[in-house]
Amino acid sequence: DAGVIQSPRHEVTEMGQEVTLRCKPISGHDYLFWYRQTMMRGLELLIYFNNNVPIDDSGMPEDRFSAKMPNASFSTLKIQPSEPRDSAVYFCASSAAGRMSAETQYFGPGTRLLVL
Amino acid sequence: GDSVTQMEGPVTLSEEAFLTINCTYTATGYPSLFWYVQYPGEGLQLLLKATKADDKGSNKGFEATYRKETTSFHLEKGSVQVSDSAVYFCALTTGDTGRRALTFGSGTRLQVQP
Repeated sequence: DAGVIQSPRHEVTEMGQEVTLRCKPISGHDYLFWYRQTMMRGLELLIYFNNNVPIDDSGMPEDRFSAKMPNASFSTLKIQPSEPRDSAVYFCASSAAGRMSAETQYFGPGTRLLVL
Repeated sequence: GDSVTQMEGPVTLSEEAFLTINCTYTATGYPSLFWYVQYPGEGLQLLLKATKADDKGSNKGFEATYRKETTSFHLEKGSVQVSDSAVYFCALTTGDTGRRALTFGSGTRLQVQP
């Protein structure tokens, strides 16, 4: 299996532009997570899905952020309009269903976003 | 809410030295505990995990024991190698509340010198 795939790996954009990050989870996994990593706040959950349905979006910073999962093999995280404070590494992770909290999450390589 | 506290880094050791990275947690219910490792420029990889009290997770010479009485999950390795240089994250999920998302500590950078 190729693991979790994220694209692009790097994104540089200007403030005010729309940014779309993409994720393909591991085939057969039922859960998909979006995390953000910054120096100031560390690793934090943005949103996660179960069977394509958003379960917890309490970490989504504000209305400028939106996430979708139109099918089991694809998810997007969109920022519109982007701001310099959105600069971070965004990770996608997926996990199988199973015993509720013990399933391993498999992380993608991340998208490094820089908003100028 | 749930939280994880890790020792501040960086931790700098010589090759073959003993490693301990402290991790304590606060959680409702009975969490599952994890150690993830992040190598430069890469995503996180699971290193080991433990799902109930007194369980010991182990992998690649690393070990950690789930201590409910002290709410701790310290990471240890008897003899580190240069290739162990990375950032290590302690994390938990809280099964009773059904929240599958990981709550992470701040990470501890390990630097192993030859």
